[in-house]
Amino acid sequence: DAGVIQSPRHEVTEMGQEVTLRCKPISGHDYLFWYRQTMMRGLELLIYFNNNVPIDDSGMPEDRFSAKMPNASFSTLKIQPSEPRDSAVYFCASSPYHQGVYGYTFGSGTRLTVV
Amino acid sequence: QKEVEQNSGPLSVPEGAIASLNCTYSDRGSQSFFWYRQYSGKSPELIMFIYSNGDKEDGRFTAQLNKASQYVSLLIRDSQPSDSATYLCAVEPTGGGNKLTFGTGTQLKVEL
Repeated sequence: DAGVIQSPRHEVTEMGQEVTLRCKPISGHDYLFWYRQTMMRGLELLIYFNNNVPIDDSGMPEDRFSAKMPNASFSTLKIQPSEPRDSAVYFCASSPYHQGVYGYTFGSGTRLTVV
Repeated sequence: QKEVEQNSGPLSVPEGAIASLNCTYSDRGSQSFFWYRQYSGKSPELIMFIYSNGDKEDGRFTAQLNKASQYVSLLIRDSQPSDSATYLCAVEPTGGGNKLTFGTGTQLKVEL
């Protein structure tokens, strides 16, 4: 298995532009998570899905952020309009139902810079 | 109070020594606890998980859990330079639904 695949690896955009981050989870994993990592706040959970259904989006900072999972093999995180404070590394992770033995498998992350 | 707290470090230990990393959590009902390792510029990877009070050993790593005191620790024996990384403590909260809350991590430096 190729693991969790995220694209793009790096994104530099101007303030006010729309940004779309993409994620392909590991086949057979029921859960998909979007996290954001900054030096100050560490890893923060934004939203997670179970069987393509959003379960908890309480971590989404504001209405500028939205996430979808149209099928079991694809998810997007969209920021519109983007702001400099959105600059961070965004990780997608997936896990099977009982994650204890396996934990999360993280993608390589997308480093977003908003200028 | 943060839900999961870790000393940011850096924690410096000489090669071959025991490194001790600590984590406290606020949700007394938490059931599952994880340690992830993150190399600079890379994604986190799972090292160990622990559910029950006491110690759990896996090679050079030992996880310790004390639910009464609400702390989790990770011991790394015979530390190697390749262990230099940031170690993230993660907790599945009460009724967690498989989601994890992460601490901000402790940076470990193993010196030659």
